[in-house]
Amino acid sequence: SAVISQKPSRDICQRGTSLTIQCQVDSQVTMMFWYRQQPGQSLTLIATANQGSEATYESGFVIDKFPISRPNLTFSTLTVSNMSPEDSSIYLCSVGAPRRDRGGIWAAFFGQGTRLTVV
Amino acid sequence: ELKVEQNPLFLSMQEGKNYTIYCNYSTTSDRLYWYRQDPGKSLESLFVLLSNGAVKQEGRLMASLDTKARLSTLHITAAVHDLSATYFCAVDVTYGGATNKLIFGTGTLLAVQP
Repeated sequence: SAVISQKPSRDICQRGTSLTIQCQVDSQVTMMFWYRQQPGQSLTLIATANQGSEATYESGFVIDKFPISRPNLTFSTLTVSNMSPEDSSIYLCSVGAPRRDRGGIWAAFFGQGTRLTVV
Repeated sequence: ELKVEQNPLFLSMQEGKNYTIYCNYSTTSDRLYWYRQDPGKSLESLFVLLSNGAVKQEGRLMASLDTKARLSTLHITAAVHDLSATYFCAVDVTYGGATNKLIFGTGTLLAVQP
């Protein structure tokens, strides 16, 4: 399994400002994924972050709004730029790794999330 | 575009009863996940289903996968209050491999009443 640490766990931000969320993994991984979960909703993939290349964004998400860094194989950041109340969500990073307690099956693991409130 | 639909969206159960949550997806995939999410928490991995006919059980939960029908089910047996949570299915968009790039279902909010 993978242990994923996200910082901050929560924040309250003023509209128009930016917040950078950090994601640290305890093992080297090729791809890291960023998801958004709006209040009462399911998870939506924002982008895929590969080390050494630009992130790949899903439809509806753009780099100017959600710039991503991936400086090495264990770390990534997601910035939520020029925030508005509509950006209030939980942001989660995710990686794939083998499950130690399930015979090594490859699975997707999630960080504890960053709960963002924009006021 | 891959779409994943769950039903029901909300399920209120009495303790001791059985019920099934359904997850339909629109395109071919060979890897399906079930997750549990408690309020204010992240996702807890419950099951990874890899092949047609796969069935996995843990405690009062049993998950199955029918890749031909593009359907997975999560069956709850003799529900207890501790199972109250939101349950998500998620499908890996990469067929023939695992990128762990997932499309999530809408989620099912399960409330088990005493």
